[in-house]
Amino acid sequence: KAGVTQTPRYLIKTRGQQVTLSCSPISGHRSVSWYQQTPGQGLQFLFEYFSETQRNKGNFPGRFSGRQFSNSRSEMNVSTLELGDSALYLCASSLDRYNLGGSYEQYFGPGTRLTVT
Amino acid sequence: EDKVVQSPLSLVVHEGDTVTLNCSYEVTNFRSLLWYKQEKKAPTFLFMLTSSGIEKKSGRLSSILDKKELFSILNITATQTGDSAVYLCAVDPFAGNTPLVFGKGTRLSVIA
Repeated sequence: KAGVTQTPRYLIKTRGQQVTLSCSPISGHRSVSWYQQTPGQGLQFLFEYFSETQRNKGNFPGRFSGRQFSNSRSEMNVSTLELGDSALYLCASSLDRYNLGGSYEQYFGPGTRLTVT
Repeated sequence: EDKVVQSPLSLVVHEGDTVTLNCSYEVTNFRSLLWYKQEKKAPTFLFMLTSSGIEKKSGRLSSILDKKELFSILNITATQTGDSAVYLCAVDPFAGNTPLVFGKGTRLSVIA
């Protein structure tokens, strides 16, 4: 079974530009979460989608947005990039974590390393 | 505010040593606690714990949860250089639409 895939793996952008990152979850997984990871802040939650609906949103400015498609693939977009947006962006997928009867194991993709210059 | 605190933040040991990593949490509700290992890439899943006192084991790694005292430990015996990584602890608070809460991780370095 293929794991979570993310594209692109590496990206260099300049300040003010925008970027779109893509995530394909494990087949059958409908829940997709996005995280930003930096050395100083650790893993910070961005948003979570389930069945094309945003379930949660972390404490990030409106420049960060996302969406999920009917095939569960997800994209996140960052507009007007700032130097501080340089980070590893991780996507994770799981089965329906809101199912009371289900266990919740979240599997991460390899990440997209974004560098803003 | 829900939070997860891991200790120590970093640790250096010699091959063959046994290490214990700690994770304490404060959440409004609790469904599970998860441990991940992160090397130079994405975190890989290690364990999920939902019940107190039941040890989960995988090779030289084991973990246990104490829901009364609100903490978990991850033990690694006979450490190897390949165990060098950041170990992350996360809690699923399961309170409505609430995401996982991650700790900042423990950086383990195993030297030969």
